[in-house]
Amino acid sequence: SYVLTQPPSVSVAPGQTARITCGGNNIGSKSVHWYQQKPGQAPVLVVYDDSDRPSGIPERFSGSNSGNTATLTISRVEAGDEADYYCQVWDSSSDHRGVFGGGTKLTVL
Amino acid sequence: EVQLVESGGGLIQPGGSLRLSCAASGFTVSSNYMSWVRQAPGKGLEWVSVIYSGGSTYYADSVKGRFTISRDNSKNTLYLQMNSLRAEDTAVYYCARAGTMTLLGMDVWGQGTTVTVSS
Repeated sequence: SYVLTQPPSVSVAPGQTARITCGGNNIGSKSVHWYQQKPGQAPVLVVYDDSDRPSGIPERFSGSNSGNTATLTISRVEAGDEADYYCQVWDSSSDHRGVFGGGTKLTVL
Repeated sequence: EVQLVESGGGLIQPGGSLRLSCAASGFTVSSNYMSWVRQAPGKGLEWVSVIYSGGSTYYADSVKGRFTISRDNSKNTLYLQMNSLRAEDTAVYYCARAGTMTLLGMDVWGQGTTVTVSS
């Protein structure tokens, strides 16, 4: 089965740029989606199809995907961005099953 | 307003059954790809199942043969029938919309319903 690998944690100071990676075999050939989850809340889609943003998501959130790594970039990080972030793909090689990465805890210092 | 509201969670003994419901408003369940995702206490998100707009269904290996996803078009509601429940099925269960013309990111989520499997 397809595996997505994320770093457990990323720390960044306010105003700086946070980059959260998501590794997978030839992930560049798949569409990657990113979710933000704050404690006690349901996940929120922040980036879909590698780099598109749903309406209402700040332009500070962006994504890229190439080779074996997809990246979620959060520019000008704010305290309110502190959350868990998950990458996700639909694995077409196994009946389009959903696959999530293990999640990355973003800490704003 | 586009919204999903789950219900049906609770405390159930190992080996028991439970049916979760996910009522949609603001869009049509049968015209969309719909998914269930769960989160065990203190753990990450785990995909559980998806139903295509055409009716095809797919499951994670961990629940295949025990869980069944379905929908009632007249009630605009998604369901997850869970049988032979195990302690490891304990989690918050979320339903989510996963696209219209094709599988996409899950852009609408319910608030979650908690399932606890314990004797």
